[in-house]
Amino acid sequence: ETGVTQTPRHLVMGMTNKKSLKCEQHLGHNAMYWYKQSAKKPLELMFVYNFKEQTENNSVPSRFSPECPNSSHLFLHLHTLQPEDSALYLCASSQDFAATGDGYTFGSGTRLTVV
Amino acid sequence: GEDVEQSLFLSVREGDSSVINCTYTDSSSTYLYWYKQEPGAGLQLLTYIFSNMDMKQDQRLTVLLNKKDKHLSLRIADTQTGDSAIYFCAVSSKAAGNKLTFGGGTRVLVKP
Repeated sequence: ETGVTQTPRHLVMGMTNKKSLKCEQHLGHNAMYWYKQSAKKPLELMFVYNFKEQTENNSVPSRFSPECPNSSHLFLHLHTLQPEDSALYLCASSQDFAATGDGYTFGSGTRLTVV
Repeated sequence: GEDVEQSLFLSVREGDSSVINCTYTDSSSTYLYWYKQEPGAGLQLLTYIFSNMDMKQDQRLTVLLNKKDKHLSLRIADTQTGDSAIYFCAVSSKAAGNKLTFGGGTRVLVKP
């Protein structure tokens, strides 16, 4: 499978649950990103990884915990979320941090609903 | 840091041209992009322009870049109902370590 794949596509979880979002890319990219998209803030950059190392954490609450075991996989572990965390979570990847005409490649997202 | 602004909404009749505008603040911007997001989907790269160009045409899409005014636009010719979506402008700038900064998106509604 090519491109960026995110699973699950939809997730409903209670505030006391623990769940994980998965992102996988088969593009040979070295940089991966988590974004949150909601009606209040269209695209919020959450975390950035480059060659498996976290290079950016944009003041994200600790109830969101990213993991990048290798350059192809990125996880977002969720625990004790709040209803305001309901949003579309998008994963993206890029070759590295050098700007090119390819930009970022996005997955289709996971629609998260916290009840 | 970089700031990228877009208008929220555009309504256009089928067959007309659409023009979506974007302004940015960082003059060290290198690549500038337009992405399209359809309902329930991720962002899809439509086209890009390098900062040493003024215009780029790709089939129905025309990108115009005014570096002096830090203004980017996307023109869609012969707009179709399938063009209804949210369009995001994104800018890569050296000041931001070449990471992309996205605008808030413009929702385009094409009326038959």
